[in-house]
Amino acid sequence: ETGVTQSPTHLIKTRGQQVTLRCSSQSGHNTVSWYQQALGQGPQFIFQYYREEENGRGNFPPRFSGLQFPNYSSELNVNALELDDSALYLCASSQEGTGNSPLHFGNGTRLTVT
Amino acid sequence: GEDVEQSLFLSVREGDSSVINCTYTDSSSTYLYWYKQEPGAGLQLLTYIFSNMDMKQDQRLTVLLNKKDKHLSLRIADTQTGDSAIYFCAERIGFNTDKLIFGTGTRLQVFP
Repeated sequence: ETGVTQSPTHLIKTRGQQVTLRCSSQSGHNTVSWYQQALGQGPQFIFQYYREEENGRGNFPPRFSGLQFPNYSSELNVNALELDDSALYLCASSQEGTGNSPLHFGNGTRLTVT
Repeated sequence: GEDVEQSLFLSVREGDSSVINCTYTDSSSTYLYWYKQEPGAGLQLLTYIFSNMDMKQDQRLTVLLNKKDKHLSLRIADTQTGDSAIYFCAERIGFNTDKLIFGTGTRLQVFP
């Protein structure tokens, strides 16, 4: 069974730039969600995707957007990067988005905005 | 409101039991989870409990849930140095959602 994989592991960007982070869900899982974890904090829910559509969103501005592909992999896009966007971005997957399947997380992408 | 609170730090001697506590505010929780995070890594699912249960045991791990007081605890028996990490509790509110509300994490330090 393949777990959740994310790429890249680390990324450095400049304020105002755009970034794309990628995630492959665990085999057998069809729902993907993204979380932002600032240093010293717990993760915060950004949004989730099921059947290639966003079907839940946390308190994040529209410059945070995403995609889910037919193979259930996903992208997180962040436009107009701000210094406060520096964080660990975690992708999680689950099965069917029913709420009965626990979330399994990847190792994250560490984004630094300078 | 949605809020999950944990104590920040716990230090235990190797071989002792560790108890990490968590309180939450939303009574609509369906599942509650414990995740472990080692330095520079993602979150590892340790165990979880459905909200209508009051206890779950999984090898060295015991989860206790007091739904009336909205209190969740994780007991680790025979704590080892490899258990040193940050432990997060998280609640899932409702069904058909992968939104978890996380606490700020408890750093467990195990000393010989």
